[in-house]
Amino acid sequence: DADVTQTPRNRITKTGKRIMLECSQTKGHDRMYWYRQDPGLGLRLIYYSFDVKDINKGEISDGYSVSRQAQAKFSLSLESAIPNQTALYFCATSDLPPSLAGGDNEQFFGPGTRLTVL
Amino acid sequence: AQSVTQPDIHITVSEGASLELRCNYSYGATPYLFWYVQSPGQGLQLLLKYFSGDTLVQGIKGFEAEFKRSQSSFNLRKPSVHWSDAAEYFCAVTFGAGGTSYGKLTFGQGTILTVHP
Repeated sequence: DADVTQTPRNRITKTGKRIMLECSQTKGHDRMYWYRQDPGLGLRLIYYSFDVKDINKGEISDGYSVSRQAQAKFSLSLESAIPNQTALYFCATSDLPPSLAGGDNEQFFGPGTRLTVL
Repeated sequence: AQSVTQPDIHITVSEGASLELRCNYSYGATPYLFWYVQSPGQGLQLLLKYFSGDTLVQGIKGFEAEFKRSQSSFNLRKPSVHWSDAAEYFCAVTFGAGGTSYGKLTFGQGTILTVHP
């Protein structure tokens, strides 16, 4: 079974709808991330969480919110979807960052959710 | 703020030819560098990583990368490309303790590799 799973894998919705993307992991990592990928822009960080009680905005958090329900679960919500939120969304997890117990912040990615907002 | 630049948006090579994908990062400190590959319709897979030691690192699928601190670069290379290497490649960086970028990855824009038979 995959270590990082995302549901749904594909979603088409309409402008103004509320959408939730879910991420689950079995790697036992404390750190989880949400990115969006757009052609020519690479991956941009939306939100990240270094533990269940720690939630932080990334570089493009406007229009998004997150919930860390447990160590293994991290959900991304679009409260009122708009067409420019059409993108590929990735969840990732990581172990300790550099300089802590030998960590290197390698991130492990889910398969992605392709979201289309009409 | 840290940033990563991949100057080549799209590279086309013939099967069997050598490959070099460029990556430059900004900001000093001690970088921790990664190359990921994304095959069409797939998630990201780690090819290799560097955070200390020998500046030439070996990865999976026959890839290697060389860290050059003086040039702030971490270029990815492969001596002989296979058709299955066609994908999008991402360079990413994070830094050691201290600063607002600690523990977060910053990705480059990606380089799309096309392989001709």
